[in-house]
Amino acid sequence: NFMLTQPHSVSESPGKTVTISCTGSSGSIASNYVQWYQQRPGSAPTTVIYENNQRPSGVPDRFSGSIDSSSNSASLTISGLKTEDEADYFCQSYDSSNVLFGGGTKLTVL
Amino acid sequence: QVQLQESGPGLVKPSQTLSLTCTVSGGSISSGDSYWSWIRQPPGKGLEWIGYIYYSGTTYYNPSLKNRIIISVDTSNNQFSLKLSSVTAADTAVYHCARGNWNYWFDPWGQGTLVTVSS
Repeated sequence: NFMLTQPHSVSESPGKTVTISCTGSSGSIASNYVQWYQQRPGSAPTTVIYENNQRPSGVPDRFSGSIDSSSNSASLTISGLKTEDEADYFCQSYDSSNVLFGGGTKLTVL
Repeated sequence: QVQLQESGPGLVKPSQTLSLTCTVSGGSISSGDSYWSWIRQPPGKGLEWIGYIYYSGTTYYNPSLKNRIIISVDTSNNQFSLKLSSVTAADTAVYHCARGNWNYWFDPWGQGTLVTVSS
């Protein structure tokens, strides 16, 4: 079964840049779109990146997404970190039979 | 803008059927580009896609849950519903409804409702 693996947690200081990876277990992650969601405690997930690298309106350009076929992974990069970016981040994609989420990465901005 | 709101019992006994409804406002559930989805999140854990329904009634379920799931749509009331049978404690989760599109981008999401399976 296709799985998406994320680091459990990352931390960085305000103003810095952090990258969260999402690695596909098999096949090619580039075959289907990857979305990234932000979830703050007690709230529903909201989209920060869709279709690999697209930002919904209202999401600052500090958020960017990319795909690296050589490592079969997707990445979410957040630059100019703010304390308000502290949240859980989930990647999501799909294969021929299922929709899959990564396990989530807790971002701490300290 | 489209908004979704889940409703249903917060407590279900083991072996019984969990039933939830999602009410869509600000848009029509009969929109041809939307796939109305259920996604759940056990406390402190990650997200699991349950399935979706198209306004025509076409459904697609998570293979690991498909034997226990029924998702239905009520276009007259702009609602869709989830039934999950034979529940166990492992089904305890926050259940979200969400609008999906053709490439499984889910946006927006409902706030979610916690369903606890316990006797």
